[in-house]
Amino acid sequence: AQSVTQPDIHITVSEGASLELRCNYSYGATPYLFWYVQSPGQGLQLLLKYFSGDTLVQGIKGFEAEFKRSQSSFNLRKPSVHWSDAAEYFCAVGARGYSTLTFGKGTMLLVSP
Amino acid sequence: DAGVTQSPTHLIKTRGQQVTLRCSPKSGHDTVSWYQQALGQGPQFIFQYYEEEERQRGNFPDRFSGHQFPNYSSELNVNALLLGDSALYLCASSLAGSGGGTDTQYFGPGTRLTVL
Repeated sequence: AQSVTQPDIHITVSEGASLELRCNYSYGATPYLFWYVQSPGQGLQLLLKYFSGDTLVQGIKGFEAEFKRSQSSFNLRKPSVHWSDAAEYFCAVGARGYSTLTFGKGTMLLVSP
Repeated sequence: DAGVTQSPTHLIKTRGQQVTLRCSPKSGHDTVSWYQQALGQGPQFIFQYYEEEERQRGNFPDRFSGHQFPNYSSELNVNALLLGDSALYLCASSLAGSGGGTDTQYFGPGTRLTVL
């Protein structure tokens, strides 16, 4: 069975500082990996996805993530955080051929002035 | 291009009642998945519909059922509501593919269900 672990429940970052959100997955084959962002009371917005090829993927809003097979990780990064980035971030893994997703429990990002 | 839409936005029910939630997929999408997101948790997969059939199902009881219509829209029905069914219910749509990268899911804003 596939699973996703997001070890950090909350992270606080100063505005303008860099950000890294951790995600580890468990899956028996090559996974599809996703990062979504959720603002309070809202649905999920896709930030980026990895299916194959280049292990460094670029997303919207200046986010990027790197797939590291050896570490079973797919960490999300941003070089300079803006106050509007404050939200909850979810990492998810999907199986090839089926679009159902298994999500982590999320990391809440707080941005301090 | 309309995204995924869901109705209603909020719903309050009492224990034992039944509820129906609705979802219209993103234009061009043919597959609808439903997720339950309890407070403070990540979304949990309920089931997925494709070609008006339930294609996959997560670990949810039979009280949870669904339907997909010929226009690809979908309904989620929950019978005999329990307090623990209180959650944000998310609908996601995608385009069925061979796994070659078309299976990205796009989510709607959700329906907040409160069971009293």
